[in-house]
Amino acid sequence: DIQMTQSPSTLSASVGDRVTITCRASQSISSWVAWSQHKPGKAPKVLIYKASDLESGVPSRFSGSGSGTEFTLTISSLQPDDFATYYCQQYNSSPLTFGGGTTVEIK
Amino acid sequence: QVQLQESGPGLVKPSETLSLTCTVSSGSIIGYYWSWIRQPPGKGLEWIAYIYHSGSTTYNPSLKSRVSLSVDTSKNQFSLKLSSVTAADTAVYYCARHVSSDSSGHEYLGSWGQGTLVTVSS
Repeated sequence: DIQMTQSPSTLSASVGDRVTITCRASQSISSWVAWSQHKPGKAPKVLIYKASDLESGVPSRFSGSGSGTEFTLTISSLQPDDFATYYCQQYNSSPLTFGGGTTVEIK
Repeated sequence: QVQLQESGPGLVKPSETLSLTCTVSSGSIIGYYWSWIRQPPGKGLEWIAYIYHSGSTTYNPSLKSRVSLSVDTSKNQFSLKLSSVTAADTAVYYCARHVSSDSSGHEYLGSWGQGTLVTVSS
């Protein structure tokens, strides 16, 4: 199985901050990574697919980059609605696997 | 925009079978792959299995011996059965639709339901 190591596990930030979350794959997965935002009691929302493509309707302050084994999700200017938990997901091969999650908290 | 809704018992006894259904609305179940994912309280996400509308399936090897998926295209639903459950199977269970990012055949989990908590306890 491909292991996805996500860091940090928790991040404290203020509105307006630039935030970066990293995911490392245990082997090369090309660009087959998606990033999703999770909030309690709500359907998770995909933000980025294929490492850097923005899902339709997602604000442009979200961006993704990387290929091979290292990937990043960046929020250019954190907004109140962005406090949530974020997960990376590899879909290069089965079984699909996820990073451990990063919770973005209010500082 | 497709919507997914999980349904089923919120409490299952140890050694029994957990059964959940995902109802798809505002879209057809035809032509897509559909997955189940779970998240134990305070832990990470685990992909369980996926099914195509034709009924072909792929399972996570870690759960394969206890999992069964089925699909009912007439009702626009697909279902999960997990047998011989223990407390370790207590989790929020999500259903999701696969989405193609290009013509390569690689698909990500693009649309999710809001999840349903299933507790295994006597």
